[in-house]
Amino acid sequence: EMHLVASGGGLVQPGKSLRLSCAASGFTFDSYAMTWVRQTPGKGLQWVSTINYSGSKTYYADSVKGRFTVSRDSSKNTVFLQMNSLRVGDTAIYYCARVVYSSGGPDRPGVHDPWGQGTLVTVSS
Amino acid sequence: DIQMTQSPSSLAASVGDRVTITCRADQGISNWLAWYQQKPGKAPKSLIYAASSLQTGVPSRFSGGGSGTEFTLTISSLQPEDFATYYCQQYNTYPPTFGGGTQVQIK
Repeated sequence: EMHLVASGGGLVQPGKSLRLSCAASGFTFDSYAMTWVRQTPGKGLQWVSTINYSGSKTYYADSVKGRFTVSRDSSKNTVFLQMNSLRVGDTAIYYCARVVYSSGGPDRPGVHDPWGQGTLVTVSS
Repeated sequence: DIQMTQSPSSLAASVGDRVTITCRADQGISNWLAWYQQKPGKAPKSLIYAASSLQTGVPSRFSGGGSGTEFTLTISSLQPEDFATYYCQQYNTYPPTFGGGTQVQIK
């Protein structure tokens, strides 16, 4: 059974950093792009970042570009999201997901399936 | 960015009702559209990809249609476990974007 477990969330002050992890099991991790999506009550679901299957290509939402870095470790079947210079507006539940059925090629966006359970990040002074 | 607009934002229906949710893209996305179901306190679950293809294990009462800029999600006979919020998502181009969601409530 495919499983994604996200961790690393918590309460952090504005301007500080946090690193999220997402451990994958039940599928061939090295064959799939992985993505992070966040959810806030006011703004719904917002895509944050995607890393391709090999880690050679990364994509970011404009709102996090230059502050967040996505990476992956195939030896641990884990994807990471390093979040620096955090802002109050980054407060959300962060979900990781596998990317499948990409539109027209492996380095195109795709469908998110399955999703991890989410980890809450609260940025507040 | 491609903007996705869902309607209605919420609806109330009874068990057994036929329910249709609409999702519109502000530019053409071919059939690169997915639908997700989310229950309170849970992560979203993928239901449909490529506008009309059901994910494995999704009941056949769910169906999707459309192409280009207008898409629909239909539940042919609403069941108690279907009361949830539904989101569409385009994956034609980066950044992938989601609709605002449609909450299906019990009448």
